[in-house]
Amino acid sequence: GDSVTQMEGPVTLSEEAFLTINCTYTATGYPSLFWYVQYPGEGLQLLLKATKADDKGSNKGFEATYRKETTSFHLEKGSVQVSDSAVYFCALTPNAGGTSYGKLTFGQGTILTVHP
Amino acid sequence: EAGVTQFPSHSVIEKGQTVTLRCDPISGHDNLYWYRRVMGKEIKFLLHFVKESKQDESGMPNNRFLAERTGGTYSTLKVQPAELEDSGVYFCASSPSTGAGSYNEQFFGPGTRLTVL
Repeated sequence: GDSVTQMEGPVTLSEEAFLTINCTYTATGYPSLFWYVQYPGEGLQLLLKATKADDKGSNKGFEATYRKETTSFHLEKGSVQVSDSAVYFCALTPNAGGTSYGKLTFGQGTILTVHP
Repeated sequence: EAGVTQFPSHSVIEKGQTVTLRCDPISGHDNLYWYRRVMGKEIKFLLHFVKESKQDESGMPNNRFLAERTGGTYSTLKVQPAELEDSGVYFCASSPSTGAGSYNEQFFGPGTRLTVL
């Protein structure tokens, strides 16, 4: 079945440091890929997405590129802020004919803590 | 517009007791999903409703779990009887109807933290 593997956490950085959180996946066909973020005390929010190979999703300074050849979707940010402290989840959903089937498969989550 | 709400936010029960979790999706969203995260592991899919019908319940762990969505609005997830391994955070999400060639974002609630002692 489908699966998503994220780098082990937690990740602790100083403000303005560069962030990479690795994510690789196993799936049949061409899934859509997502990064979700959960801030303390809140539900998951969609951070960014990419629906086909070589697409780059971006939002709030975060970026991730859909790499079919390496089955990866690594999350990056050039300069993190204290407010980025949260849990980040990589996820996928299967596609067929360009239509997403909605059911999400998640990675285990990575806790990010950013210190001033 | 109100987001997805879940009740209660936290529940502590004894092994063998019954607990019912509730999810109110965003108004007008036909799709409703339940997920669970156990002990800091990955979030796992439980089931998917389209309106009042169960579209996919392949993730339900066993017959101690019963999900309903009467009238296609709010949903309940009952665990009876609860076991220690049922502890975790239960998330609900909703999305509008999926059109061909599109992805409709799932909006998540804050989750219900269930602790079984």
